[in-house]
Order: sequence, then structure tokens, then C-alpha cells
Amino acid sequence: GENVEQHPSTLSVQEGDSAVIKCTYSDSASNYFPWYKQELGKGPQLIIDIRSNVGEKKDQRIAVTLNKTAKHFSLHITETQPEDSAVYFCAARSPGSGGSNYKLTFGKGTLLTVNP
Amino acid sequence: DSGVTQTPKHLITATGQRVTLRCSPRSGDLSVYWYQQSLDQGLQFLIQYYNGEERAKGNILERFSAQQFPDLHSELNLSSLELGDSALYFCASSVGGTSGSRETQYFGPGTRLLVL
Repeated sequence: GENVEQHPSTLSVQEGDSAVIKCTYSDSASNYFPWYKQELGKGPQLIIDIRSNVGEKKDQRIAVTLNKTAKHFSLHITETQPEDSAVYFCAARSPGSGGSNYKLTFGKGTLLTVNP
Repeated sequence: DSGVTQTPKHLITATGQRVTLRCSPRSGDLSVYWYQQSLDQGLQFLIQYYNGEERAKGNILERFSAQQFPDLHSELNLSSLELGDSALYFCASSVGGTSGSRETQYFGPGTRLLVL
């Protein structure tokens, strides 16, 4: 099955700096890669996603890049703010047996701390 | 607010007991997914239902079962509970389907289960 590795597990930056979180996946058939932000006591919230036919996607201060050949994708947050502090999860959507029954496999998460 | 609701928010029970967690998907979503989140295992996919039928299975124990009802709400039943079942249980929903934005999953706030 799919395996998603996420690094780093913790990241501390100063307010205004950029933060980058990287993920690798194993199944070349994976075709959809969402990123979720989880604040303490809440459920994961989708912040951005990218499909395998696109190399980069941007939404204000957040961007995601995908390298299908190398099977890795990254989340970039620019001009970080204290409210960006949270756990961030990457995920890859891969097909099950027979090419159907897609499921999401999540990375272990990155605890991002933005220091004022 | 994702539009996915889960009850109860917290649940404390004893080993050997059985509990039922409930999830109502976003209006119009046909797919419901269940996840378990623990500190050491991260977010683990358990099972997916689509319009009342089981669609995909992940790392779900035999002691656990789920169903989706005609009104599309779903219940996750956990039986013969063990200490190790203590975790956050999330439900997510999506429109349904295997391509495009229909697979984007939106998470509920979760149920925190503590088995004593």
C-alpha cells in the first residue's frame, strides 16, 4: 500500500519567515495530494490540495509543489504569522486493488510553531 | 466549520465495553470516512461508505464496525474496548466519486475516546 513520509516532525520559525514541509510518497498511482492544518482540539482542516496533472498551486501565502518523477510534494508558507502555528499533515490518495477504492494515506504530521 | 458533525465530543468508558460514535456528513455529501488518530500512529484510515455501501477498508479491527444509514449519517461501533483504543476518532465526508473535487474530504471535530 501507499506510504507517506513527512519531514520535519517539528519546525520552529520566526514570524515573517517562510516555512517548508516536505513529503514523499511510494505509490506512483497516487493522483491527489491534500494538505491539512489541525489546531489543538479541532479536526483537520483542508488548506490546499494539488492533483497529479499540476506541478504547482498557490493560494495567497500558501503554495504546494509536486514532483511526480521524484514522488515528493512540499508545502510552502510565506510571511508566517503566529496563527499559522498548528500541526500540518500531508496526504496522498492512492487506488486500492483493481484501481478503485481510493483512500488517503497521511504523513505523521509537522508541528509548526511561529514565534512572534 | 466544515459542516460535518460528530457526537459525542468526549466519551469515557471502561475496558470490555461497547460504544457508538455518530457522524453526519456535509449536506449533499454521499461518502463518509472514519479515521483514528493516536499519538504514535497518526491519522489512520479505518473505513469508507458511499451512499450506504462499504467502499474501502483500511486498518479497521474486527472489533470495530460501521454503517451508513439511508439519511447518510454514519455510525462507528467499537466493541470489547481495550486501553489501546483510546484515541481521537474523526469522521470526514466528500461528495463522492473518484476524480476531481468530488473526492476532497472535509473533517468533523472528532470524538475523543478514553478507555479506562
